[in-house]
Amino acid sequence: QMQLQESGPGLVKPSQTLSLTCSVTGDSISTNSYYYSWVRQSPGKGLEWMGYIYYSGMAFYPPSLQGRVSLSVDNPNNQFFLTLTSVTAADTALYFCARGRPQSDDAFDIWGQGTTVTVSS
Amino acid sequence: SSELTQDPAVSVALGQTVTITCQGDGLKYYSANWYQQKPRQAPVLVMYERNTRPSGIPDRFSGSNSGNTASLTITGAQAEDEADYYCKSRDSSARYLEFGGGTRLTVL
Repeated sequence: QMQLQESGPGLVKPSQTLSLTCSVTGDSISTNSYYYSWVRQSPGKGLEWMGYIYYSGMAFYPPSLQGRVSLSVDNPNNQFFLTLTSVTAADTALYFCARGRPQSDDAFDIWGQGTTVTVSS
Repeated sequence: SSELTQDPAVSVALGQTVTITCQGDGLKYYSANWYQQKPRQAPVLVMYERNTRPSGIPDRFSGSNSGNTASLTITGAQAEDEADYYCKSRDSSARYLEFGGGTRLTVL
């Protein structure tokens, strides 16, 4: 059974770049049957989709984050990454990685436990 | 702001039936999937492909789509169903995914 685990710095200074890693175990990410996504949740707020990426490197991002967000993938090490530039306090959130099924209405069927990121000086 | 609209809060008496709805133009063309999130936990997929439950999700959960509205129904709600529920689908342009704002379900 595939499992996802987020990791990264818990504290980032304003204007700096946030970088998170999602490590995948239990199966290879190198298949077009799935894509891999990041979702965040600000304190007390709802879920926000941040983008998804296929193992080929093809990625899609929401308009609200275009220009600041970038996803990448490391197939040999079964990891994918989130990079968010020019962070502000509004980027303080719980960040999740998830597996998406493009042939099943984009269902996110496996999630990591999430990692908390605080943006503060 | 999301193009998918959900009621912020809904309540149901224990054992009764409740329907949580999600409205958006994109739902005319794309099905929604539904996630349950309990405090301090990751979301869990509870419904996809209109009315398909992942393994382990009780059959009291069902889903449907009609026009621009997707619905998640819990028939015989249990105390453990108390949670936030989010719909997710593609937007009307089909290029992007989006979540609804979420519905907090209280089981009385």
